[in-house]
Amino acid sequence: GNSVTQMEGPVTLSEEAFLTINCTYTATGYPSLFWYVQYPGEGLQLLLKATKADDKGSNKGFEATYRKETTSFHLEKGSVQVSDSAVYFCALRGSGGYNKLIFGAGTRLAVHP
Amino acid sequence: GAVVSQHPSRVICKSGTSVKIECRSLDFQATTMFWYRQFPKQSLMLMATSNEGSKATYEQGVEKDKFLINHASLTLSTLTVTSAHPEDSSFYICSAIEGNEKLFFGSGTQLSVL
Repeated sequence: GNSVTQMEGPVTLSEEAFLTINCTYTATGYPSLFWYVQYPGEGLQLLLKATKADDKGSNKGFEATYRKETTSFHLEKGSVQVSDSAVYFCALRGSGGYNKLIFGAGTRLAVHP
Repeated sequence: GAVVSQHPSRVICKSGTSVKIECRSLDFQATTMFWYRQFPKQSLMLMATSNEGSKATYEQGVEKDKFLINHASLTLSTLTVTSAHPEDSSFYICSAIEGNEKLFFGSGTQLSVL
């Protein structure tokens, strides 16, 4: 079945450091891929998405490229800020809609000044 | 943007009691809502799909008599954990679909059963 694996946290970085959070997936067919972010005390919010191979999703300085050959969707940001501290979830949606949304375990990011 | 309100954010209860968690879409109507459960350091796992005006659809392995879902209006779904036991302690999250495409999440409920 479909599954998502993302790197364990917590990830601790200094402000302006480069961020990579790895995400790989297993899926049949052609899934859509998502990154969600959860700030403290809030619900998950969609950060970015990609719906087909080689698509790049981007938002708020974050980027992720849908790599079918490596079944990956790694999240990157060139210069993190303290306000980026949150939990990041990689997710996959197969055919069948949002009731088939599969999440990774989440990676906590802590950015220090 | 659209907001989903989930209440309470944290609840502690005694074993054997029932706990109700509410999920409200504040500025849109949601015919479909989802309930997830998350154990520490694990993924969000879909428990059930809640459809307004009809019975919820439960995922395999989820006890429907244990986790009662009611979606009586277009803006409210409730999850009741009946006769809660310590193994039911977990983080519960709801989400709601706006239209056909956008999914919005509540902030979650941490349930601790003593």
